[in-house]
Amino acid sequence: QVQLQQSGPGLVKPSQTLSLTCAISGDSVSRNSVGWHWVRQSPSRGLEWLGRTYYKSRWYNDYAVSVKSRISINADTSKNQFSLQVNSVTPEDTAVYYCARQERYWDFEYWGQGTLVTVSS
Amino acid sequence: QSALTQPASVSGSPGQSITISCTGTSSDVGGYNYVSWYQQHPGKAPKLMIYDVSTRPSGVSNRFSGSKSGNTASLTISGLQAEDEADYYCSSYRSSSTLGVFGSGTKVTVL
Repeated sequence: QVQLQQSGPGLVKPSQTLSLTCAISGDSVSRNSVGWHWVRQSPSRGLEWLGRTYYKSRWYNDYAVSVKSRISINADTSKNQFSLQVNSVTPEDTAVYYCARQERYWDFEYWGQGTLVTVSS
Repeated sequence: QSALTQPASVSGSPGQSITISCTGTSSDVGGYNYVSWYQQHPGKAPKLMIYDVSTRPSGVSNRFSGSKSGNTASLTISGLQAEDEADYYCSSYRSSSTLGVFGSGTKVTVL
């Protein structure tokens, strides 16, 4: 059974960097063509896809245009986890952040428990 | 990153059937058979209910079914039960720089 366990701070100051980690059990972050995604949810923006990382002979990343200049998603094979960093956060980045796994073409069968991140001074 | 359009709310009595629509464009819903549906209860992560337009994952009740016509996908819940009361979201692959998009969400109320 695949499980995704999220960790990271729930409060980030404006202009600083939001960092979250998603630890994987029951699967491998480097399994070929499996996508590891970050999605966020807020009352104002609803569910919003942020980006993914996946391995297919080499590592690839795709990011949503809305955050592309500020986001980074990286895999750590030694710890079997992947991470999200969002730079220069503003209160608009306040949301519940989820990690999720995509095994087929485009759907998310496994999700992390969610982390509420509040951007406030 | 425009969201897919869903009705804000749908309601029905126990035992009835309801249908939730999800309207996109030819760049997402209409162009690919990669529409999925998620159920979300308050404070919980979304749960996959349908993928690839009409396929149910193992363990999901056959009361849930999906379909698509043109740029609009639909989720039908038959034999409505109290436990079905939740928010429902569609999602689709999109041929743009932003690869995926979610719907605006529909609150299902069991009367």
